Amino acid sequence: DVKVTQSSRYLVKRTGEKVFLECVQDMDHENMFWYRQDPGLGLRLIYFSYDVKMKEKGDIPEGYSVSREKKERFSLILESASTNQTSMYLCASSAGLAGDEQYFGPGTRLTVT
Amino acid sequence: GENVEQHPSTLSVQEGDSAVIKCTYSDSASNYFPWYKQELGKRPQLIIDIRSNVGEKKDQRIAVTLNKTAKHFSLHITETQPEDSAVYFCAEASGGGADGLTFGKGTHLIIQP
Repeated sequence: DVKVTQSSRYLVKRTGEKVFLECVQDMDHENMFWYRQDPGLGLRLIYFSYDVKMKEKGDIPEGYSVSREKKERFSLILESASTNQTSMYLCASSAGLAGDEQYFGPGTRLTVT
Repeated sequence: GENVEQHPSTLSVQEGDSAVIKCTYSDSASNYFPWYKQELGKRPQLIIDIRSNVGEKKDQRIAVTLNKTAKHFSLHITETQPEDSAVYFCAEASGGGADGLTFGKGTHLIIQP
């Protein structure tokens, strides 16, 4: 059974702070993804990675960066948090070059004040 | 993927009736079309998917149809039950999903008793 975990369920940060969101998967998946989910907007892809130390921009990468030092771990970094980054952040992973099913983590609800 | 339009945003049906959710896409290279179900407070989970070389796929009460010429695909749920109440997201990808998914904005399905 695939398990994707995220470091926090709820997080409150102040404007300008550096924020780290961590995601870990235990199924040896090659591909990992970060999405943000906002009401009425669905899920939007921020960044993804198909291998260790590899990263690719998604549809809305501005204001974010990522790190993948180990295969099982994919971190999302907000260099200087802003109020418009208040959102639900979902990590996902999938296997193989063809991708196939993406397994999602439980999400981190980030509030920036 | 580029743009995915999903309709309706809210759908209310009587228990036992059928529900249909429709999505259109714009990227001719799209070849993978999954549907995710997200119950309140939970993570999205894949319920069915279809690839571009198939026109229809069925799994018990759930079916998905794909019209590549018209660039639209639909989710059909028959004999709806209370546990079908959730938000449903369609998505598409051009690389089988390894490059991330482009999601529709979601449909809130309400099953009336």
